[in-house]
Amino acid sequence: DGGITQSPKYLFRKEGQNVTLSCEQNLNHDAMYWYRQDPGQGLRLIYYSQIVNDFQKGDIAEGYSVSREKKESFPLTVTSAQKNPTAFYLCASSGDRGSGANVLTFGAGSRLTVL
Amino acid sequence: DQQVKQNSPSLSVQEGRISILNCDYTNSMFDYFLWYKKYPAEGPTFLISISSIKDKNEDGRFTVFLNKSAKHLSLHIVPSQPGDSAVYFCAASSLIGSSNTGKLIFGQGTTLQVKP
Repeated sequence: DGGITQSPKYLFRKEGQNVTLSCEQNLNHDAMYWYRQDPGQGLRLIYYSQIVNDFQKGDIAEGYSVSREKKESFPLTVTSAQKNPTAFYLCASSGDRGSGANVLTFGAGSRLTVL
Repeated sequence: DQQVKQNSPSLSVQEGRISILNCDYTNSMFDYFLWYKKYPAEGPTFLISISSIKDKNEDGRFTVFLNKSAKHLSLHIVPSQPGDSAVYFCAASSLIGSSNTGKLIFGQGTTLQVKP
């Protein structure tokens, strides 16, 4: 079954620690995205990558970092510089935009709680 | 600046009746719109989409209407079922040239409760 796997599903972090959230896809999609969900604010874009070895900041990139060394993988690091890291993090991917479709497929999410 | 807005945080309807979820956008560059459904602690799943060249798209019980002049879209669910209870997000993107980054801009979401 093709899909997106996020891990861990739940993560607790002490203040001042960096944590890395994993995102792996086997859909052969070129583009991958990280969103953050907070109550009442919908999904906000953190970073996205349209191709391997390239990525761009989204609307709320401060305090986060990413890498895209492989097509299948797009890990997100939440650094100690992120002031309010407690949230539900969603990874997504999308295929060929040339077809006119811009449908993102999402993983199941990772909930990060800062203690 | 919230480019995509869902002004109703919640909606409650009776099973079998119609659910209407609304969404407004401000960016005239948006030309592709989607609705996602999300259950707690899960990722959103794609429901239905519409291109700006259309004003209606239907898929089973779900119909999306687009009013470009008003920059407004709505999702109709008929008949509503208890399993439809979830958070619904509308999203928008631009497929035009250099604006086509593939990223989606999401609204805040509307929580739908369908009562048996």
